[in-house]
Amino acid sequence: DAGVTQSPTHLIKTRGQQVTLRCSPKSGHDTVSWYQQALGQGPQFIFQYYEEEERQRGNFPDRFSGHQFPNYSSELNVNALLLGDSALYLCASSLVREQFFGPGTRLTVL
Amino acid sequence: QQQVKQSPQSLIVQKGGISIINCAYENTAFDYFPWYQQFPGKGPALLIAIRPDVSEKKEGRFTISFNKSAKQFSLHIMDSQPGDSATYFCAATNDYKLSFGAGTTVTVRA
Repeated sequence: DAGVTQSPTHLIKTRGQQVTLRCSPKSGHDTVSWYQQALGQGPQFIFQYYEEEERQRGNFPDRFSGHQFPNYSSELNVNALLLGDSALYLCASSLVREQFFGPGTRLTVL
Repeated sequence: QQQVKQSPQSLIVQKGGISIINCAYENTAFDYFPWYQQFPGKGPALLIAIRPDVSEKKEGRFTISFNKSAKQFSLHIMDSQPGDSATYFCAATNDYKLSFGAGTTVTVRA
């Protein structure tokens, strides 16, 4: 049984560009959450998707948007990238309370 | 504003010793408290979790102690091994969003 998978593993972008990150949840899970983890800090909640809708959102600007597909996979889109968006982006899937994280996508903004 | 405060920032323990990590929270609505272990370059892995109606939960060498009146909980790692060297995060939630502590880096000396 594959766990949570994310792609790509690493990404380098320049300021002002747009990026799309992808996540496939653990088999049987219907909910996907996205977190941003800056170096040396704990993950910060961006938003959660359930039944293809955004169910809850953290304190992130509208430049961060997402989508969930009928097969429960999800995308995170970030527009107008800033240097401060450089971080590890984590996807977590869940069925009830327990959230299981993927390996993350390391985004570097130059 | 960090909803979960974690200490210490780092600790060093000898092989076979006990590692203790403490967390405190303010939001009395929190009803689920997981701990995660993260190795460099990897996503957080769920270790153990507790609900506030239980004062202690043990899984193998890992024990959570929970003090509801003090709004504090802690992770004890018994018989620490070099393979336990990692960053540990406490978290809390009352809905879908996990609020994480800042993390504790544990180093186990052989």
